[in-house]
Parts: sequence; structure tokens; C-alpha cells
Amino acid sequence: QVQLVESGGGVIQPGRSLTLSCTASGFTLNHYGMHWVRQAPGKGLESVAHIYYDGSNEFYTNSVRGRFNISRDNDKNTLYLHMSSLRVEDTAVYYCARDRIPGGSYQAAFWGQGTLVTVSS
Amino acid sequence: DIQMTQSPSSLSASVGDTVTITCRASQRIRNYLNWFQQKPGGAPNLLIYFASTLQGEVPSRFIGSGSGTDFTLTINGLQPEDFATYYCQQSYSSPPWTFGQGTKVEVK
Repeated sequence: QVQLVESGGGVIQPGRSLTLSCTASGFTLNHYGMHWVRQAPGKGLESVAHIYYDGSNEFYTNSVRGRFNISRDNDKNTLYLHMSSLRVEDTAVYYCARDRIPGGSYQAAFWGQGTLVTVSS
Repeated sequence: DIQMTQSPSSLSASVGDTVTITCRASQRIRNYLNWFQQKPGGAPNLLIYFASTLQGEVPSRFIGSGSGTDFTLTINGLQPEDFATYYCQQSYSSPPWTFGQGTKVEVK
């Protein structure tokens, strides 16, 4: 059974760094494209980052490009989001999600339950 | 960037009603349109992809249609478990893919 479990969220001061983890089970991580999507409190969904199944390409939304980095450890079957120079507006629940089919697809079909990041002084 | 505009932002309905949510893209996206359902405190759940294909065991009362720039999600015979927020998302451009702002379906 496909399962994604995010961890690493918490309260962090502006300007600091934080790394989120997404531990996958029930499938092999390096067969699937993976996503990070966030949701600010009471707001809608925002796609943040995407990595191809083979790690050959990474994509970022404009507001985080240069500050966030998506990566994966295939041996640990874990996806990461390293966030630096954090801003108050980065406060959100961060979800990781998996592509619907291996090799890449146009849908994020399986989602974790999210981890809350609060950026506040 | 491709912008996605949903309407209405919220609606009130009763069990058994038919509801329709629309989503408009700022440029043509063929049929690269996904619909998600999100319940309070929960993660989004993929309902429909490629504008009209039901994901997994999603009930057939959910119907997606459209192509190009205009899309609709119709729920026939609204059930108690369908009260939630619905988001459209385009996956035509390079990722990350943009979402609409959401439509909250509330109990009348």
C-alpha cells in the first residue's frame, strides 16, 4: 500500500533553514516523479517543487526558486525539501505527493498528510 | 504562467442536488486538467485527470468535462461526504502546476 509520511516541520525564525522529509513505502521512490505542495493557513493549494523520477530535472515555483531545493535519497526511499532563507509567507502545511504512474505523469495522485511549517520570530 | 480561475468560490447545496463548478485557464491547456477534493484537515484527493478520467474508485457521480480553456466538474446527486473544497489544476505547462483558488461546497 502506498504511503507517504512527511516530517521535519515546526516553528522556525525568519531567515533560518529547515529540511522536510517524506518517507515513502509501498513503492520504489526512484520510479516516480515527486512533488511538494503547500497550503498556507486558510488558503488554497500551491505547487512548490517537482523532481523527475530519475532526478534529471527539478522545477520550482518562482517564489521559492533559489531558496528551496528538492532532492531524494533512493536508498532511504525518502524525498526531501531543503528550505533556506525562510520567510513569514512560507508558513504553510507542506505535502509531498507522488505521480500517478511510474516514469512520469501529469497528476499527483498519492499524498501524505502534511507537515506544518511556521515561520515566525 | 498559466492562471486558473474557478467559479464560484463557494456554493450552498443540499444532499441530492446536482452542482457544477467551472474552471477557466488563461491559455489553452488541451485536456491537461485535474480535479482534487479536499476535506477539512485532510490532504487533497485526486478525483479526475485528463479533464474527464475518474481516478481509481472515485464514484461515477463525479463528471469532468471540457477542453482548451473551459472545464467543468459536475457532481450528480450530492452525497453527505461530498461537502468539501474542490480545486482544479493544470498540468500542461512545465511543473510546478498551478491550481485554481478552490470552490467550497457547503450545506444549504
